[in-house]
Amino acid sequence: EPEVTQTPSHQVTQMGQEVILRCVPISNHLYFYWYRQILGQKVEFLVSFYNNEISEKSEIFDDQFSVERPDGSNFTLKIRSTKLEDSAMYFCASSEPSLSSNEQFFGPGTRLTVL
Amino acid sequence: SQQGEEDPQALSIQEGENATMNCSYKTSINNLQWYRQNSGRGLVHLILIRSNEREKHSGRLRVTLDTSKKSSSLLITASRAADTASYFCAPSVAGGFKTIFGAGTRLFVKA
Repeated sequence: EPEVTQTPSHQVTQMGQEVILRCVPISNHLYFYWYRQILGQKVEFLVSFYNNEISEKSEIFDDQFSVERPDGSNFTLKIRSTKLEDSAMYFCASSEPSLSSNEQFFGPGTRLTVL
Repeated sequence: SQQGEEDPQALSIQEGENATMNCSYKTSINNLQWYRQNSGRGLVHLILIRSNEREKHSGRLRVTLDTSKKSSSLLITASRAADTASYFCAPSVAGGFKTIFGAGTRLFVKA
């Protein structure tokens, strides 16, 4: 069964460093998403991406964040200058090209630890 | 708000018992989905019910939807220890791109 994959599974970085989290969505999906979950808290929506542009973003998704689909398979989240409070699980998701059903398939997540 | 609110916040049952979790929401929806998250892991899509459906089954899962009351329930029958997880409902509005998750129901199934 097709699945969303994410790399790395765990990323440790120093405050102020840039990180890139990678995702490979399901191949025929056209909508892509990033969510994050700070330990012990809710899963929070960050951004959605369709047709090579951001469809919607939350207030969390400020200028420190960017997303890109650099090729036909990868979808990346970049955090330019990480802060301690960016430590969280980051989940990528994708969905099929149908707005009547936005069933989203989630990846296993990347645990980001900012020291 | 598009967010669903799950109730109860936590539920502890014995293996073999049924578990019922409820969800309320405020907007008109296109469909509603239920997800499961095992501790520290990713989210797994369980079932989607459309606004014109009242009940849906998938294995040991039964989901109901009452759009007049803006509520849904998830029933897990004959629960197993492996069902221990957090369960989230996700109402979806037409044209919506994002999923807004509530705090979820934490289910603990004792062996």
